[in-house]
Parts: sequence; C-alpha cells; structure tokens
Amino acid sequence: QLVESGGGLVKPGGSLRLSCEAAGFTFSTYGMNWVRQAPGEGLEWVSYISGSTTFTHYADSVKGRFTITRDNAKDSLFLQMNSLRVEDTGVYYCARELTSSGTGWFDPWGQGTLVTVSP
Amino acid sequence: SYVLTQPPPVSVAPGKTATITCGGSNIGSKSVHWYQQKPGRAPTLVIYEDTERPSGVPERFSASNSGNTATLTISRVDAGDEADYYCQVWDSDSNHVRFGGGTKLTVL
Repeated sequence: QLVESGGGLVKPGGSLRLSCEAAGFTFSTYGMNWVRQAPGEGLEWVSYISGSTTFTHYADSVKGRFTITRDNAKDSLFLQMNSLRVEDTGVYYCARELTSSGTGWFDPWGQGTLVTVSP
Repeated sequence: SYVLTQPPPVSVAPGKTATITCGGSNIGSKSVHWYQQKPGRAPTLVIYEDTERPSGVPERFSASNSGNTATLTISRVDAGDEADYYCQVWDSDSNHVRFGGGTKLTVL
C-alpha cells in the first residue's frame, strides 16, 4: 500500500514537498517513481529513485527543479518540488517499480495527491 | 525521445471484443505494460511484459506486441471495463519511462 500526502495550492515560483508512505512490502528493495496527471490529461512520468538511492532519473520537464529522495528506515518516498509552474498542476502518484530484464512497470500506485499551482 | 501513439476513443457493445493499440518505432523490441484507469481513481496494472496478467486481472484481458504495434485486447467487454487505458515502456536510450496518451474505452 502506498499513501501520498503533501499536495496543496501554491503560487508560481513556490515550493512543495510530497511524501509517500509505503506499507506491506520491503520498501528498500524496490525502485520507486513519481507519476503525475494534469487535469483531463494523460499520465506523465516524473522521476525515479533506486532502492539503494544510488540512481535517480528525472523527466526533462522537471530536471533541475524537482528532487526525489527516500528514507528507507521510515519506508518513505519524497518529492521536493521547487520553482513550481502552472503546468506542474495535477495529481501526483507514487508507484512501486517491478523490474525484469531491463524493463520496469508500476504496481501498486498510491491514491494520488493534488498539486495546484496558481497565481 | 521515444513516442507512443494510442488511438482516439474506442466504443464497443457489451459482450464484444475491444482492441486498443499502442504504436511506437520497433516497439516489438521493447517490453510493453498496460494500465487501466477508471474515473477519479489511480491507475492499476492489467498487463506487464507484453503478455503477462497480474493476479486478479481477468483472463478476458490479453495483449501482444510485434513490429511497430502493441495491442491490448479485452474480450466479452462489460460495463466495468469502461476506463482509460495507457501503454508504457522503458526508454533505455534516455533512461525515461514513456506513457502513451491513453485511450478511452466506452461500453455502449
């Protein structure tokens, strides 16, 4: 189970920190991702972090503004979002990544937390 | 960047078969995963690694992947299958995850 929190209303240029608490599996052994969905739009991958925190990846649209981290001792995933833009508005989901032979898929997903960036 | 193309909305009568495609350059060389998203809900995995069904997903859901097209097939469609469906791959060239734009399935 994954439960996100930390969403809210923020002005352009502002910051937010999202959290995702995991339960029911050995958190430290899985890579984790953030995926977002703008209102009425499709899914957009945002960021990935490996179980050991060795590797992180970011979508071009957020690179340099967002930072993904995790605390394996607390089974928690985070997304620090800085310099927020109106186009960052949407529901943010955390998702566990399952992998095999160089590919990965997401299961389960959290319920999502809404981020609204508006003047 | 690697682009995945999904068709416009698909409509199908109850009991019939729905086919949703996902196009990409040589997508047959990649593993494709499919998600179902019902209104107001988080996505859920319905197919992984081209053809595999997670436990709990009905056998009515199947998929294939070859050439430039991956296909999700839902047989004996019922009202509960009405949702948006997304395909996803891992783009190893960029270390990015790519999603298709989604296809809305309507059950008539």
